Amino acid sequence: EDQVTQSPEALRLQEGESSSLNCSYTVSGLRGLFWYRQDPGKGPEFLFTLYSAGEEKEKERLKATLTKKESFLHITAPKPEDSATYLCAVQAMTTDSWGKLQFGAGTQVVVTP
Amino acid sequence: GAVVSQHPSWVICKSGTSVKIECRSLDFQATTMFWYRQFPKQSLMLMATSNEGSKATYEQGVEKDKFLINHASLTLSTLTVTSAHPEDSSFYICSASRGGTSYEQYFGPGTRLTVT
Repeated sequence: EDQVTQSPEALRLQEGESSSLNCSYTVSGLRGLFWYRQDPGKGPEFLFTLYSAGEEKEKERLKATLTKKESFLHITAPKPEDSATYLCAVQAMTTDSWGKLQFGAGTQVVVTP
Repeated sequence: GAVVSQHPSWVICKSGTSVKIECRSLDFQATTMFWYRQFPKQSLMLMATSNEGSKATYEQGVEKDKFLINHASLTLSTLTVTSAHPEDSSFYICSASRGGTSYEQYFGPGTRLTVT
């Protein structure tokens, strides 16, 4: 069974204090790994898709990396507006999956001024 | 691009009534749409997957007669919660995927359902 584990559950950072979030996964053939950001009371906002080990993607202060077993989301010099829950999800390369995602529980990030 | 809307954003209904939630892809055609529910402090749980013109595929434990899903066009899917009960109160979120070689899912803003 596909599994996605995110750590830590919560992270409190000072503004400017860089850190990394972890997403460990087991899946029977990875089609893609996705990172989303979710603000309270809103739907997830798409950030990145990673398809193969060694791939990296960047967007502003965020950088996502992928290995065969885990992905990291690096937040560089965070600002208070980066406060959110960050969700990791995997999509398996099974023929009947219809592209459905298996989500992790998320990491709640709070950035204080 | 890739904007998904939901309507209503929140709804309060009485126990035993039905409520319909709409999900629209505004600037792209969605081959597949997904419906999730999310309880407080928890992650998203997939309820069902729907493809345009086909019957929805429900996840294990989700009652298909209670949660009716219709995907009538490439830009619209609806979720109807029939005979709602207080335990159905939750945050319902839809997502849409272009399909083909595009695997990303784009999410709507969610609908908060409260059943009294």
